[in-house]
Amino acid sequence: EAGVVQSPRYKIIEKKQPVAFWCNPISGHNTLYWYLQNLGQGPELLIRYENEEAVDDSQLPKDRFSAERLKGVDSTLKIQPAELGDSAVYLCASSLDGGGANTGELFFGEGSRLTVL
Amino acid sequence: GIQVEQSPPDLILQEGANSTLRCNFSDSVNNLQWFHQNPWGQLINLFYIPSGTKQNGRLSATTVATERYSLLYISSSQTTDSGVYFCAVESYGNNRLAFGKGNQVVVIP
Repeated sequence: EAGVVQSPRYKIIEKKQPVAFWCNPISGHNTLYWYLQNLGQGPELLIRYENEEAVDDSQLPKDRFSAERLKGVDSTLKIQPAELGDSAVYLCASSLDGGGANTGELFFGEGSRLTVL
Repeated sequence: GIQVEQSPPDLILQEGANSTLRCNFSDSVNNLQWFHQNPWGQLINLFYIPSGTKQNGRLSATTVATERYSLLYISSSQTTDSGVYFCAVESYGNNRLAFGKGNQVVVIP
């Protein structure tokens, strides 16, 4: 069974440029998460989807970050414009949940490492 | 929000040694997961253990929810056990996992 797939693995951009990350969850997992991981820290939730619906986006900086999960499968996370402080690893995870329940057993992708110059 | 404290922050082990990692949390939880992040950054789920004891090969975990802590045991450590171990917890009604800062483990041959 294929795991969570993310791309690109690495991205280097100049500040003020846009960037997008893509995630394909494990087949059949209805819940998808985007996490941000800074160096030396644990992951922090940015947004959680249940199917197509964003059920928790309170931690997403909406002035420059946006996300979508069309058709309830793949998801894209976008930053526009990027700032120096956005340099981090962006992790996608998926789980099989009952809807409205607490976070299920999480399976993570390899992450997308962003460097903003 | 809930506080998660992991100890020790750093640990160096000789291959073959045993170790115990601890996770303390500040509130009642209905979800606790342990993860291993390897040196290449991949996070692997080790245990989903809101209470009780589980074992998987050389790894085992125990959560005592009433006393607000969990322990991860590594027996007969191998160099592939190197990396960062994260504990993540979720309190009732929160629906969001809070991660600790991790235990950095280095196993030397």
